[in-house]
Amino acid sequence: GESVGLHLPTLSVQEGDNSIINCAYSNSASDYFIWYKQESGKGPQFIIDIRSNMDKRQGQRVTVLLNKTVKHLSLQIAATQPGDSAVYFCAEAYTSGTYKYIFGTGTRLKVLA
Amino acid sequence: NAGVTQTPKFRVLKTGQSMTLLCAQDMNHEYMYWYRQDPGMGLRLIHYSVGEGTTAKGEVPDGYNVSRLKKQNFLLGLESAAPSQTSVYFCASSYPSRGRNTGELFFGEGSRLTVL
Repeated sequence: GESVGLHLPTLSVQEGDNSIINCAYSNSASDYFIWYKQESGKGPQFIIDIRSNMDKRQGQRVTVLLNKTVKHLSLQIAATQPGDSAVYFCAEAYTSGTYKYIFGTGTRLKVLA
Repeated sequence: NAGVTQTPKFRVLKTGQSMTLLCAQDMNHEYMYWYRQDPGMGLRLIHYSVGEGTTAKGEVPDGYNVSRLKKQNFLLGLESAAPSQTSVYFCASSYPSRGRNTGELFFGEGSRLTVL
């Protein structure tokens, strides 16, 4: 899979390949990060989260990596499936302060058969 | 358990009309949020509430008002709708998780508003 930043809003991957979606966050005080998946016409759905005291967390077929030094977050999807086609958003929050969740612009993932 | 419910799901307004979007959650969440989603711009926070009777401004609060009179409800009002407020509006809620390990946002299905 090809890694892209938020300035490239569409990522196309072959079915079965791994996908990597990147996100740059803005607030160095943010201590909680979430990845959401949004399918057309639906509300965002939670995928995986990570707190700032961790640098990696794994779920089912998904892994989130956090690099606080450069304020960068990535979502890795293993063995991408057609059902993974959606828009993916990262969100950051400062849970010890205002508890505002701020979202990135999003990346559209297209899975090619 | 319905989760987060938004009403109405669709609405068409004329410029200058007013309306209220209702968000209801049955999960006993303390925090509630209103976002708007425009094409290519992701989700932008309008207003949020960290408890009954409290509200705060988000990134794009102008033209909107909110109220949290009951813990389970968060209302978003447009006093004088403008075409720039044409958008999809999402409500979300989260646990009273200050200091806890989780803070997942639960979203409603969205309310599509068109202002002519």
